[in-house]
Amino acid sequence: GEDVEQSLFLSVREGDSSVINCTYTDSSSTYLYWYKQEPGAGLQLLTYIFSNMDMKQDQRLTVLLNKKDKHLSLRIADTQTGDSAIYFCAESRYSSASKIIFGSGTRLSIRP
Amino acid sequence: DAGVTQSPTHLIKTRGQQVTLRCSPKSGHDTVSWYQQALGQGPQFIFQYYEEEERQRGNFPDRFSGHQFPNYSSELNVNALLLGDSALYLCASSYSGQGELQLNTEAFFGQGTRLTVV
Repeated sequence: GEDVEQSLFLSVREGDSSVINCTYTDSSSTYLYWYKQEPGAGLQLLTYIFSNMDMKQDQRLTVLLNKKDKHLSLRIADTQTGDSAIYFCAESRYSSASKIIFGSGTRLSIRP
Repeated sequence: DAGVTQSPTHLIKTRGQQVTLRCSPKSGHDTVSWYQQALGQGPQFIFQYYEEEERQRGNFPDRFSGHQFPNYSSELNVNALLLGDSALYLCASSYSGQGELQLNTEAFFGQGTRLTVV
């Protein structure tokens, strides 16, 4: 089956690192994504990783993939107030030109 | 480039009515997907249109139908509206044709249409 699970809330202090975790069930997933959604806005693709990769780094963002455990994480270094949003983990079998399965989202809040 | 545009931005309908939502894809994109995002949930895939035909469909009843036009724009129609159809409806466009791999890896989302059924 296709299912993506993630925790609902995360609160971190400004300047600390945030780590958002996700698990998925479809072993045929080829692409794994992290999307960001701010209030009243659509979805913004933050980063993605192919299933044959273990890690991808993009500026403050680091994605780690444990394919054996079907576990994906997103680390945001030096978290800022502008990072407050809902973060969705997602996967697709072929590419984002095909059906994307989303998790329920993790709401990240930043403490001063 | 205007990106993915959806209209209207907000809509209020009465239970039992029908609604049509519209989406114009990003320039150069040929595929349109529709998602339903209920409050507090992640988006759920409704269906995808490519070459004016429904290519994939999620677990939604036949009350949900769509269309893609020759210019790649798309409509989502929902008949016999239920209170539970209240949600943010997101359109995503992407490129399915031949080309460099990275062109196939990102679906661009519109801002969505907020539908409220009363």
